[in-house]
Amino acid sequence: GAGVSQSPRYKVAKRGQDVALRCDPISGHVSLFWYQQALGQGPEFLTYFQNEAQLDKSGLPSDRFFAERPEGSVSTLKIQRTQQEDSAVYLCASSLAGVSPQHFGDGTRLSIL
Amino acid sequence: RKEVEQDPGPFNVPEGATVAFNCTYSNSASQSFFWYRQDCRKEPKLLMSVYSSGNEDGRFTAQLNRASQYISLLIRDSKLSDSATYLCVVNSGSGGYQKVTFGTGTKLQVIP
Repeated sequence: GAGVSQSPRYKVAKRGQDVALRCDPISGHVSLFWYQQALGQGPEFLTYFQNEAQLDKSGLPSDRFFAERPEGSVSTLKIQRTQQEDSAVYLCASSLAGVSPQHFGDGTRLSIL
Repeated sequence: RKEVEQDPGPFNVPEGATVAFNCTYSNSASQSFFWYRQDCRKEPKLLMSVYSSGNEDGRFTAQLNRASQYISLLIRDSKLSDSATYLCVVNSGSGGYQKVTFGTGTKLQVIP
């Protein structure tokens, strides 16, 4: 059984470039979450989908951040005009509906030069 | 006050010791609780769910105290392999909506 898959594992971009991070959740998982994790900190919530509906995007730090899940499965987190402070690990997690525990992907380590 | 608070540690304990972590939460309507383990440069992995009646999984025991709004994790007979960061997770959603908040984590270092 495949777990949550994220790609790329590592991404290096120059400041000002746009990046797109992909998350492929566990098949059948309704809920999908994106988190940002800085070194030495816990994951910080960014946004949450239930199927294709984005129910909460209150954690997105600016309007440069955009997430979508058009068919209720794969999700993409896009960051436009990247800044150095965007450097972090971006984690995706999925869960069955309700209050089930989440299962995480390996994360994408983003470095902005 | 943060929604979910943990002592960041580090907790340095000798092998074989018993160690306990607490995590406090501010939303009294919180419904479900979890402990995750995160190794350095790895993703968080579910360690155990926390049930109202308390639950045990081998050397690990989790407790929930709703009146005082905290959860705890007890590790008995610590192993070197237990060294990691332990994250407390609180879900305060309702209906189908989930609002999940992570603590900043408590770092445990088990020393030989």
